[in-house]
Amino acid sequence: KNEVEQSPQNLTAQEGEFITINCSYSVGISALHWLQQHPGGGIVSLFMLSSGKKKHGRLIATINIQEKHSSLHITASHPRDSAVYICAVGNTGNQFYFGTGTSLTVIP
Amino acid sequence: DGGITQSPKYLFRKEGQNVTLSCEQNLNHDAMYWYRQDPGQGLRLIYYSQIVNDFQKGDIAEGYSVSREKKESFPLTVTSAQKNPTAFYLCASSIEGGLRKYFGPGTRLTVT
Repeated sequence: KNEVEQSPQNLTAQEGEFITINCSYSVGISALHWLQQHPGGGIVSLFMLSSGKKKHGRLIATINIQEKHSSLHITASHPRDSAVYICAVGNTGNQFYFGTGTSLTVIP
Repeated sequence: DGGITQSPKYLFRKEGQNVTLSCEQNLNHDAMYWYRQDPGQGLRLIYYSQIVNDFQKGDIAEGYSVSREKKESFPLTVTSAQKNPTAFYLCASSIEGGLRKYFGPGTRLTVT
């Protein structure tokens, strides 16, 4: 069983739609990360959070520590949001666990 | 601009040859990491280094070797002993003990 599970694996949306990607984890964590990987392969860190909610532009990340669950929301989605979104968790032992990613395609 | 560079972006090799992937960072980070990414799988840790001249095996170190002679550089050698070397390789760095990792652009290695 993977320590980090993401859903859905693949997601197709129309431009302008509200998108939610979910992440559940089974280990104790110090922080949860949402990463974005574009088709070229490079990874960008979107959020690092350990409680509550963070917002950056059209992206919102929430975490519920008790339920071991996080969500990444994209409001007013745009084709340039098309990418793979990866949830990762890190613990105090500096171990990192990665989800398998959610591949998002936003159609104009 | 500070960041991590990996070169080359694409690399092709014949089976049986060793190949070295470059990773350089100018973020003054102590810790550096190598991950492998395969389709449908999460990133898996190959090796990591928390300080110069020291490194530790990750979850899938067999068939790989690394060195850390300089703080800025953490090259990864994929040896002929690695049974399935074709993959996407990502280098990352962080402040020692830090939770935020910074990733390089990756190198896609194809071995035929």
